[in-house]
Amino acid sequence: DGGITQSPKYLFRKEGQNVTLSCEQNLNHDAMYWYRQDPGQGLRLIYYSQIVNDFQKGDIAEGYSVSREKKESFPLTVTSAQKNPTAFYLCASTPSRGATNEKLFFGSGTQLSVL
Amino acid sequence: DAKTTQPPSMDCAEGRAANLPCNHSTISGNEYVYWYRQIHSQGPQYIIHGLKNNETNEMASLIITEDRKSSTLILPHATLRDTAVYYCIVRPYSGGGADGLTFGKGTHLIIQP
Repeated sequence: DGGITQSPKYLFRKEGQNVTLSCEQNLNHDAMYWYRQDPGQGLRLIYYSQIVNDFQKGDIAEGYSVSREKKESFPLTVTSAQKNPTAFYLCASTPSRGATNEKLFFGSGTQLSVL
Repeated sequence: DAKTTQPPSMDCAEGRAANLPCNHSTISGNEYVYWYRQIHSQGPQYIIHGLKNNETNEMASLIITEDRKSSTLILPHATLRDTAVYYCIVRPYSGGGADGLTFGKGTHLIIQP
């Protein structure tokens, strides 16, 4: 089935450690996004990429890094500079440019916790 | 993105129509209204969107007032599985490859058996 796959479902980070969250899509979408969600809050945009080898900072990019070497993949690294990384992380994608609607397709999320 | 205002929570009886309001009094002429929902611990799911005409699909109906300053999402026959947080978002259409949507806190809809 087509869709967005995030892994792992749960992830634990030690102090000072970098961790990478995986996001893969087989929908042939050009644009991909990473959001962070804290308990009882809405979603905040971390990074987004509209095309391979290009990405832009969102509202809360500090302490995070991304890469977009392949159309299907948009991994997110939570670096040690992110002092409050515990949150639910969501990856999303949208169809290619010129699409008549812009609905986002989301993965099932990764819950990151600090040990 | 234009700001939206939604009630933090609502209850609805199972089998009844759930009507979720959204105020967007500062909406611009080129901004669409989008609705998503998020079931606990899952990713949000697109429901419907519209510009100025009322819209209906297999999931819901969207009623936008003539002045476009508010809208209502209608779930015609709510089931327990419709319990979720519902997000109302306004933004201009940008031809695809958009810079993402801004999600507020939404409305927590609870369907009562």
